[in-house]
This record gives sequence, C-alpha cells and structure tokens, in this order.
Amino acid sequence: DAGVIQSPRHEVTEMGQEVTLRCKPISGHDYLFWYRQTMMRGLELLIYFNNNVPIDDSGMPEDRFSAKMPNASFSTLKIQPSEPRDSAVYFCASSSTPQGSGNTIYFGEGSWLTVV
Amino acid sequence: AQSVTQPDIHITVSEGASLELRCNYSYGATPYLFWYVQSPGQGLQLLLKYFSGDTLVQGIKGFEAEFKRSQSSFNLRKPSVHWSDAAEYFCAVGPYSSYKLIFGSGTRLLVRP
Repeated sequence: DAGVIQSPRHEVTEMGQEVTLRCKPISGHDYLFWYRQTMMRGLELLIYFNNNVPIDDSGMPEDRFSAKMPNASFSTLKIQPSEPRDSAVYFCASSSTPQGSGNTIYFGEGSWLTVV
Repeated sequence: AQSVTQPDIHITVSEGASLELRCNYSYGATPYLFWYVQSPGQGLQLLLKYFSGDTLVQGIKGFEAEFKRSQSSFNLRKPSVHWSDAAEYFCAVGPYSSYKLIFGSGTRLLVRP
C-alpha cells in the first residue's frame, strides 16, 4: 500500500496568500484526519471526517482554515489568508472503523508550511 | 482534565544500552494507549498500542510497553538501542470509540555511538 500521500511536502508562501494542502488517504479507510504540529503546541487535531463527512472541526483554529473531502480518496486543507503563525507541519492521517483491537491511525509524511 | 505527560524532553543513551521512555496520562475512561515514533522529516509511525488484555505489549522494532493502571503510566522500553532508533517518540491516549487522541509533547531520543 502506498500509505497516506500528502502534497506539497514543503511550501513557502507570503503572508496573505492562500495555501492549499492536499491528502490522499489509504484506500479503503473511511476516516481522515488533519493534524498540525508546532513546537509550542505539539500535535493538535484540527478536524476529522468519516465517510467524507466532517465529524469534529472543533480544533480548527479560526475561519481562515477550511477543510473539504469531496470524495473518499481526496481531501484538502485550505488557509486563506495565511499568516506567519500558521507556519507548522500539517499531517494528514487515515484509519478504518475500529475492529476488534481498535483503531490505528496512519500518518502521512506531512506538509511543511512556512509563511513569511 | 485529560492529558498525557512525557516528562523527559530529551534522553541520550549509548548504542546498545537499554531505554525507557516515560508516559503518564490522566484520563477519565478506560484509556486506549499508543506509542508513535517520528524520524526527522517524516510522519508518525505506530510502534505499539494497548487496548485491553495483557498489560505488556510488544511492538515493532523490538519495542515494548507496559500499562500500569495504578500508576497511570504506559512506559516504552527497549533492551538494546540501535543508532537508527534516534527519533522523537510520542505517547497518546484516547477512547476506543473516538479518534480524538491526545498526544504528549514528545521525547527526543539521541543515541551516542
């Protein structure tokens, strides 16, 4: 299996620009997660989807952030307008419905965002 | 409040030495516990998980962890560390029925030759 695929791996953008991060989950997984990792706050869950439907977006920091999942194999996280404090590593992860021994979340390699 | 504490920010061990990384949690319900490893520039890889049953859990790469309910701990161990184990290690806790995992702040492991 190819694992969770994220793009771009690295992005440097200017403050005020729109940023779109993309994710392809593992085939057959029905849960998709967006996490953000910073030195100050560690790993934070931003939002997660089940069967393409957003279930919990309470971690989304503010209205500048939005996430969509138009189909089972693709999701985007958009920041508009971007600010320097958005600089972080954004991880996409996926999982399947818990069976027996419970869920395991598989992470992508991350999108490293720098806003200058 | 629900939380995960990894008290050691950095740990340095010599190659071949044993390793123990500490994890303490505060959680109201039956915890579902994980250890993940993150190599530089990489995503998180699951090392092992505990849900129920035997409190000593075996994982990949020779790691194991022991769940101690009385101490609210889930420490990660390895009997002999290899240079390739240098990475950051994250403990996480969550409920079985939800995916809202709470991660610790991580412990960075350095391995001396």
